[in-house]
Amino acid sequence: DAKTTQPNSMESNEEEPVHLPCNHSTISGTDYIHWYRQLPSQGPEYVIHGLTSNVNNRMASLAIAEDRKSSTLILHRATLRDAAVYYCIPWRQGGSEKLVFGKGMKLTVNP
Amino acid sequence: NAGVTQTPKFQVLKTGQSMTLQCAQDMNHEYMSWYRQDPGMGLRLIHYSVGAGITDQGEVPNGYNVSRSTTEDFPLRLLSAAPSQTSVYFCASSYYLPRGGYYGYTFGSGTRLTVV
Repeated sequence: DAKTTQPNSMESNEEEPVHLPCNHSTISGTDYIHWYRQLPSQGPEYVIHGLTSNVNNRMASLAIAEDRKSSTLILHRATLRDAAVYYCIPWRQGGSEKLVFGKGMKLTVNP
Repeated sequence: NAGVTQTPKFQVLKTGQSMTLQCAQDMNHEYMSWYRQDPGMGLRLIHYSVGAGITDQGEVPNGYNVSRSTTEDFPLRLLSAAPSQTSVYFCASSYYLPRGGYYGYTFGSGTRLTVV
């Protein structure tokens, strides 16, 4: 399985954009990049995923580097509700289909 | 549409007791899985299933059994509870995309288990 590296924590201010980085230098060509988040005392929540090109949805944007060794989750306007632990997870189609979580990165949003 | 439903929400067991954590989804998802999360840690995969009648082990399967007789249900059985199994347990499900891969997983709200 590909390894990921995320900062342990980040802080942002409310209503400002937030860029959450993830390094996945050992990713293979068929690994999708998934992002999940976990709010306090809740189960994880799917945020976004992509393979090669940048992706957008109502929650966030995902920017994937051209060499796919890193990606950035972009929250365009952080809210207090975005305070959570964010997980960047490579996922391989056609493999064991398992979603393996690391320790994630804690995002604090200041009012 | 209830999503992924886990019962019970809280449970206290004595060492050596057995119990079943229930997980049900009403989204007709093929894929289901069980995770445990210890305090301050990420989630660890216990068992997963890619369809009815098919199950496989994850990272930490010891002490747990699963079966998948229907698409909707994926119960997790603790055969002889141990204090090391004190944790929060999450069930998740997903569906297979037409062009390959799975969409984002939907998680239940968790079962908080304490073994004394």
